[in-house]
Formats: sequence, structure tokens, C-alpha cells
Amino acid sequence: EAQVTQNPRYLITVTGKKLTVTCSQNMNHEYMSWYRQDPGLGLRQIYYSMNVEVTDKGDVPEGYKVSRKEKRNFPLILESPSPNQTSLYFCASSSTSNHQDGYHETQYFGPGTRLLVL
Amino acid sequence: GQQLNQSPQSMFIQEGEDVSMNCTSSSIFNTWLWYKQDPGEGPVLLIALYKAGELTSNGRLTAQFGTTRKDSFLNISASIPSDVGIYFCAGQLRNFGAGKSTFGDGTTLTVKP
Repeated sequence: EAQVTQNPRYLITVTGKKLTVTCSQNMNHEYMSWYRQDPGLGLRQIYYSMNVEVTDKGDVPEGYKVSRKEKRNFPLILESPSPNQTSLYFCASSSTSNHQDGYHETQYFGPGTRLLVL
Repeated sequence: GQQLNQSPQSMFIQEGEDVSMNCTSSSIFNTWLWYKQDPGEGPVLLIALYKAGELTSNGRLTAQFGTTRKDSFLNISASIPSDVGIYFCAGQLRNFGAGKSTFGDGTTLTVKP
């Protein structure tokens, strides 16, 4: 079954305590991305990766780090979490293929990680 | 960063009615995407658009890539209760659904039986 998994699903932590949220996909997708979602707002992209060892900043990268050492994994690292990073985080993976009838986009989001920083 | 204005913010409609929502941007995008998010779940991709003027359907859903490349539209025909949720548009500068993404703030759809 095609899926994107995130761990942990829920996390309560304290300011300054380093944490990592893992993301893994089993579809061999080149493209992966991290988003945060806050009440009343759409998703805001934190970082994205076009392939192994290729990462770039989204709209809100401050306070976050990522790495893409393997195709299937794209962890999100908060070196020193602060309360304004309390949010719902989503990881996503995707690929685009060219068919006779046009381009087909395959994209999956993980179930989300709800983070509370005290 | 780029801004996407999605409207309306919310809609309350009767089952069977058609729905229209749109997204506008101050700058152009090369890819437009539409998603639906159910409570407690991640977004699900509904339709991806890659060319200006493109019109694409997915069942009762139809989306269009605006000719100016600064807007996109989503229509839902003959709405049913399971259409309830939040619909998001997203624009990408890069072709073919990869790269930096900007999302609208969502349209919350309520369907009354």
C-alpha cells in the first residue's frame, strides 16, 4: 500500500529541546516536502527536496532543518524549538509521469504530526 | 513570498447545488493544484493543472488553469454530503508539480442534506 508515514503523530516538548520528526515514503518518489498548518491558515511550505541530497527552503524555513540522505526519508529537525513552532506538520511526497493522455501527478500526504512546544 | 487569495472563505450550500471557488495570485504560476482536506487528515490531491487554459475533470470536479496564469477555478457539480471539507488551491513556479509551493487559505464547504 502506497503511504507516507510520520513519527511521532503527537509530541509535547519544552522550549529548546531538540527534536526530529521522521517522514518516510514507500513509493520511490523523487520529491518530498514539509508543511506546517496553523488554524485558519492554509499550508505553508517549510522545506522541499527534489531528490537525494537536494533540498531547498520553502516560505517558512526559519528554525527548521532537513536532510535527504536516502530517497525514502526526509526528517524535519527542530534544533531549538520555540512556542511559535507549535503547529500541525505534514510531510508529502510526489512524482509526475508523462503518459499518452498527458501528465499524471501522484502525491500523498502523511497523517500529520501535532506538536506542542511549551 | 507570493500570496494566494482564495475565495470564498466558506460556503453553505444545499445538497445537489453546484459550487464554485477560485484562487488568484499577484504573480504567475506554472502549475496549479487543488486539494481537499477532511478533519484530522492530510490533504488529498484532487486535480493538477499544467498549462494555461487547461480544463481538467475528476468525476464531479472540474478545475481550470486561468489564461493569465495568475488564477485557477474549481467547480463541484451536484454536491453531496461527502463533499464537506476544506478545499485548498496551491500554485507552483516549477513545472510538473514539484518545487516551491504556495497555498491559499482554504474554502470550507458545508453541504446541507
